[in-house]
Amino acid sequence: NAGVTQTPKFRILKIGQSMTLQCTQDMNHNYMYWYRQDPGMGLKLIYYSVGAGITDKGEVPNGYNVSRSTTEDFPLRLELAAPSQTSVYFCASNKPPGQQETQYFGPGTRLLVL
Amino acid sequence: GESVGLHLPTLSVQEGDNSIINCAYSNSASDYFIWYKQESGKGPQFIIDIRSNMDKRQGQRVTVLLNKTVKHLSLQIAATQPGDSAVYFCAERAGGSYIPTFGRGTSLIVHP
Repeated sequence: NAGVTQTPKFRILKIGQSMTLQCTQDMNHNYMYWYRQDPGMGLKLIYYSVGAGITDKGEVPNGYNVSRSTTEDFPLRLELAAPSQTSVYFCASNKPPGQQETQYFGPGTRLLVL
Repeated sequence: GESVGLHLPTLSVQEGDNSIINCAYSNSASDYFIWYKQESGKGPQFIIDIRSNMDKRQGQRVTVLLNKTVKHLSLQIAATQPGDSAVYFCAERAGGSYIPTFGRGTSLIVHP
């Protein structure tokens, strides 16, 4: 298994540009998450999904959108990039609570908005 | 509000010493706790977890202790090695929630 994969690894955006951060997992996990991590800080939840077709907001959803059309993929969309969105973005997945629920993380996407 | 936090932002130890990383939590409804290791430039990696019906759980060179009375969690690493240098996060999840809450992290520096 490749686990959780994310693309791109690094991206520079200009203010107002848009982009999609890709996330794919091959472990057949129902639960998927997007986090952002600012320097020296912990992880803040942006959006999460408990299965295909179901998404919900986390702690910091403003400026982002998600979709979950398949079990494997959970892309994160930035519509109008702002400097405040400069961060490292991590995607994660796990089985439902109660079923060996170790959360697996991708390697991250580093985003710089100038 | 409810939060998860760490006492020490940086911990420096000598190779071969035992390391103890602490974490305080304030949500009394939390019943599941996890420790993650994050190496520079990588995503967090699961180390060990513990449920609230346990006080202690051991893994390979790591032990997690849970004190529900004072809402405190600790990660003990035996015979710390340079490869253990990383940021360590604790996370907690309340019963019935899908979502873990992460603490800020402690940077462990192991000197050879």
